[in-house]
Amino acid sequence: DVKVTQSSRYLVKRTGEKVFLECVQDMDHENMFWYRQDPGLGLRLIYFSYDVKMKEKGDIPEGYSVSREKKERFSLILESASTNQTSMYLCASRTGTLRTYEQYFGPGTRLTVT
Amino acid sequence: AQSVAQPEDQVNVAEGNPLTVKCTYSVSGNPYLFWYVQYPNRGLQFLLKYITGDNLVKGSYGFEAEFNKSQTSFHLKKPSALVSDSALYFCAVRDRTGANNLFFGTGTRLTVIP
Repeated sequence: DVKVTQSSRYLVKRTGEKVFLECVQDMDHENMFWYRQDPGLGLRLIYFSYDVKMKEKGDIPEGYSVSREKKERFSLILESASTNQTSMYLCASRTGTLRTYEQYFGPGTRLTVT
Repeated sequence: AQSVAQPEDQVNVAEGNPLTVKCTYSVSGNPYLFWYVQYPNRGLQFLLKYITGDNLVKGSYGFEAEFNKSQTSFHLKKPSALVSDSALYFCAVRDRTGANNLFFGTGTRLTVIP
C-alpha cells in the first residue's frame, strides 16, 4: 500500500512565523502535491512537483513556497504565517505512469495561526 | 475549463437505505472522473474512477458510480448505507490542460442515521 506521511497532525503557530510542513511518500512516486482544504471550498491546489527540484504553481500559491530536494519528500513553506492560512493541509502523491491519475493522500496537518 | 459540481453540501440517509451522492461535470472531451472519501480527521482515500468502458464502475467498500454522458453526471451510489459510511465525499475530474492533475469538487457530507 502507498503510504504518505505528514510530519504533524496538529500545529499552532504565531502570525509572522516561518512554518515548514513536511510530507514523505514511500512508493517512489514522481508527482507530489500540496492542497489546502477549507469548508465549502473543497481542496485547492497550492503547488505540485513532477520531479526532484521541479515545482509548479497551483491555483493558490500566494504566501507559500515548496521544496523538493529528494524524490520522496515534498515540503511546504509558509514564509510568514498569517491568520488566513489557518487551514487543513493535505499532501498527496501520484505515480508518473501513463494514464494513472489517482492521487494518494496523507492524513493532513491542521494548522492554526494565531 | 473543466470543473465538477457537488450540488448538495449535506446528505442524510437512514441506515439500510440506498444512498446517492451527486456529481456533475463540465469538461471538453472525454472525462476522467474520480470519487474520494474522507473520514473524520483523516486524509482522502480513493474510492473509484471512470476512465473508459462500462458506465457502472465498482469501487471500494461496496460503492459504485454511474457515468452518464448525456446528463454529464457521475453519481456515487450504494445499495444499503452503513453508519460507518458517514464521511465527506469528494468528486474529482482530471485536469486536461496538460498537468493531468485532479480538480476537486467542494465535497458532500454524508450522514447515515442509525
